[in-house]
Amino acid sequence: ETGVTQTPRHLVMGMTNKKSLKCEQHLGHNAMYWYKQSAKKPLELMFVYSLEERVENNSVPSRFSPECPNSSHLFLHLHTLQPEDSALYLCASSQDSRGSAFFGQGTRLTVV
Amino acid sequence: AQSVTQLGSHVSVSEGALVLLRCNYSSSVPPYLFWYVQYPNQGLQLLLKYTSAATLVKGINGFEAEFKKSETSFHLTKPSAHMSDAAEYFCAVSGAGSNYKLTFGKGTLLTVNP
Repeated sequence: ETGVTQTPRHLVMGMTNKKSLKCEQHLGHNAMYWYKQSAKKPLELMFVYSLEERVENNSVPSRFSPECPNSSHLFLHLHTLQPEDSALYLCASSQDSRGSAFFGQGTRLTVV
Repeated sequence: AQSVTQLGSHVSVSEGALVLLRCNYSSSVPPYLFWYVQYPNQGLQLLLKYTSAATLVKGINGFEAEFKKSETSFHLTKPSAHMSDAAEYFCAVSGAGSNYKLTFGKGTLLTVNP
């Protein structure tokens, strides 16, 4: 069983669709993250949750809505996305604020 | 504030040759430093980390990195490259003033030629 599991691995959605990305961690960590990885750009931190409370929101458009119901699960709800939102979305978890982050395999999102 | 600069977006070596991937950082506080590897269509995997203990850090797959405060560097090395080392490598820094925030470099794509 992998430490951080993301589903789905691939997602194609239209600009008017609503979909959700799911992340689950089995490491007993306290913090969970969403990152966006676009071609030829550095990884962008989107959201951070610590003990189920959001502690970081890096000016992400409201069409991305995170949810952290408990310390093991993290969701990213998507609606009315744009083609430029197509990217690899990575979930990660860590034990504390400066600890090593463990990443999932990512969801490859394509917005058409 | 913190930042990471990876010199060289693409490095190509022959199998068996030395691998050297460069990383320089900027941090207003003593940093924690990390190297991650990403294989195609995969997430990031931690190779090694520096957290203010020994300055020479050994990681998985034969990689190591040396923290040099005077040069603000944390270069990644491996004595002998394998074909399986071909991947993208990311350096990252975490500072005490930026809770939960890892700042990543743009990455270096390593190609290993037979």
